[in-house]
Amino acid sequence: ETGVTQTPRHLVMGMTNKKSLKCEQHLGHNAMYWYKQSAKKPLELMFVYNFKEQTENNSVPSRFSPECPNSSHLFLHLHTLQPEDSALYLCASSQPGTSGNTGELFFGEGSRLTVL
Amino acid sequence: AQTVTQSQPEMSVQEAETVTLSCTYDTSESDYYLFWYKQPPSRQMILVIRQEAYKQQNATENRFSVNFQKAAKSFSLKISDSQLGDAAMYFCAYSSQGGSEKLVFGKGTKLTVNP
Repeated sequence: ETGVTQTPRHLVMGMTNKKSLKCEQHLGHNAMYWYKQSAKKPLELMFVYNFKEQTENNSVPSRFSPECPNSSHLFLHLHTLQPEDSALYLCASSQPGTSGNTGELFFGEGSRLTVL
Repeated sequence: AQTVTQSQPEMSVQEAETVTLSCTYDTSESDYYLFWYKQPPSRQMILVIRQEAYKQQNATENRFSVNFQKAAKSFSLKISDSQLGDAAMYFCAYSSQGGSEKLVFGKGTKLTVNP
């Protein structure tokens, strides 16, 4: 198993659909993240979870709803999205709070979302 | 708030040559971490190299090295003996000391390696 796995790799949805992105990490980390990557823009941090608790919501619209049932799984539930939400959504994990932690993130390959 | 600026949207280099990617950042903190991440086409973003701000010595990882100028808030990446597999988007990133939750990224530089 690779470190961080994201499914689906590609998703096309209409503005009225409801879909979910899934992320699973096999690294034993306790923190998980959702980032949005749009063309010609810096990666945007969306949500952070530490030990299953949400510790960061970077002013993300409510049409994006994260869920973290345990430290290994992270979901991003999508509903009534807009075309401008089309982007690559990256999941990452890390092990914060340990001695020598230097903030390295481990990324999945991303889910390419297209909203029609 | 911290910001990271990569002023080169695209760069190209001949195979076996050396290329330097630029990054500047803005922060009021004295202790922090800086990173270069590589994102190959349709593949995972991976860490290339990191630098602790309290260390004066520039980090090196094989063919990759950085030029860290703390006073100038500059953090450039040098790739020596460029290889075709180095072609990717390169992102400079900043993190406050002690955690990765506030990792701030630049817009990235697309590196092309010409055979």
